[in-house]
Amino acid sequence: QVQLQESGPGLVKPSQTLSLTCSVSGGSISSGGYYWSWIRQPAGKGLEWIGRIDTSGSTNYNPSLKSRVAISLDTSRNHFSLRLSSVTAADTAVYYCARDSPFTIFGRGGYYYYGTDVWGQGTTVTVSS
Amino acid sequence: DIQMTQSPSSLSASVGDRVTITCRASQSISSYLNWYQQKAGRAPKLLIYGASGLQSGVPSRFRGSGSETEFTLTISSLQPEDFATYYCQQSYITPDFGQGTKLEIK
Repeated sequence: QVQLQESGPGLVKPSQTLSLTCSVSGGSISSGGYYWSWIRQPAGKGLEWIGRIDTSGSTNYNPSLKSRVAISLDTSRNHFSLRLSSVTAADTAVYYCARDSPFTIFGRGGYYYYGTDVWGQGTTVTVSS
Repeated sequence: DIQMTQSPSSLSASVGDRVTITCRASQSISSYLNWYQQKAGRAPKLLIYGASGLQSGVPSRFRGSGSETEFTLTISSLQPEDFATYYCQQSYITPDFGQGTKLEIK
């Protein structure tokens, strides 16, 4: 059973770069067909999708964060990473790493529907001087 | 961007009640709609994928329906463990979440 674990600094200074790593255990990050994603949630607020990467290294980002975000994959270490530059207090949140898996539904013609079925426990990042 | 709007934002109900949460997309997303349950201090949990597919291990009292721009999550008979916040998410293009619906005990 695949498990994910976030790690990284819990405190980042304004204007600096937030860097987090998600370690994958119980399976290979190189297994095809999955997306590896980052999602965040400010305290008391809703979920915000940050971006994702597939096993070929192709990325998709939230347009509102695209200029500051980079997600990368390290297959040798079986982990993926998030970098968010020029952070402000608005970037303070719980950051989750997650896996998106493809699902099919009988009678729907073989289409794949991606859902986020495995989540890390989340790590709190505070942006403050 | 596709905007996802959930209603209501909060809901009070009793154990045994049938509840329905609605999610509307600003444009058609076919059936690329997921539902998640999140309890306080925990990561979200996938309930429904593809608008109506029930994730493994999720009780059958959870039912998703809809297509194009309007979707619903129905819980047929609320159990104590169902009181949580529910989010819809479109997976048609770059994913995005609705703002959430907090389901509280009446």
